[in-house]
Amino acid sequence: DSGVTQTPKHLITATGQRVTLRCSPRSGDLSVYWYQQSLDQGLQFLIQYYNGEERAKGNILERFSAQQFPDLHSELNLSSLELGDSALYFCASSVVDRGYEQYFGPGTRLTVT
Amino acid sequence: GEDVEQSLFLSVREGDSSVINCTYTDSSSTYLYWYKQEPGAGLQLLTYIFSNMDMKQDQRLTVLLNKKDKHLSLRIADTQTGDSAIYFCAESLNNNDMRFGAGTRLTVKP
Repeated sequence: DSGVTQTPKHLITATGQRVTLRCSPRSGDLSVYWYQQSLDQGLQFLIQYYNGEERAKGNILERFSAQQFPDLHSELNLSSLELGDSALYFCASSVVDRGYEQYFGPGTRLTVT
Repeated sequence: GEDVEQSLFLSVREGDSSVINCTYTDSSSTYLYWYKQEPGAGLQLLTYIFSNMDMKQDQRLTVLLNKKDKHLSLRIADTQTGDSAIYFCAESLNNNDMRFGAGTRLTVKP
């Protein structure tokens, strides 16, 4: 158990809908990272927050957004969902601003039908 | 190239050593990582190496880094059936981006 929690575990929704994925980092970790893992794209870094501020952006679509709240939990919002958005979404956390020693949550499996 | 590259499959016998290879993309990457993913689970950080190191050993795991060739390897000594998983190589770029390989599926046969 990495100490990072993600909810929900599974999510099934229809095209065009909007969903919110939630992540709670390990106690004491200030950085949160979001990743998408799909069969065709592999594991892709989406976005990072550090202590409430956006720190780095990867291959995140404009339809997706994230934020980190004062209690350090983070939410990833996915809107106008398409079939191709079906994937595992992982959250990771680390103590510091840089990427080393990231600890991953168990993931949220999103299925868009 | 632009991708972190790994071979997709590796099969070994229990008790043998496993060597998983990776070629990364950016010579200025500061940290290089190995993650393990078991079925239905998230990624587990196994070990990482700072770019100014050549080798790091941690119990059964040995990481070798060749910066000139941008080559990273993970050796698992005395491989056990519980080591069967997908192993991801990753690099940490200067802009905080993390780039992952496609993963190597290690199968350990009894």
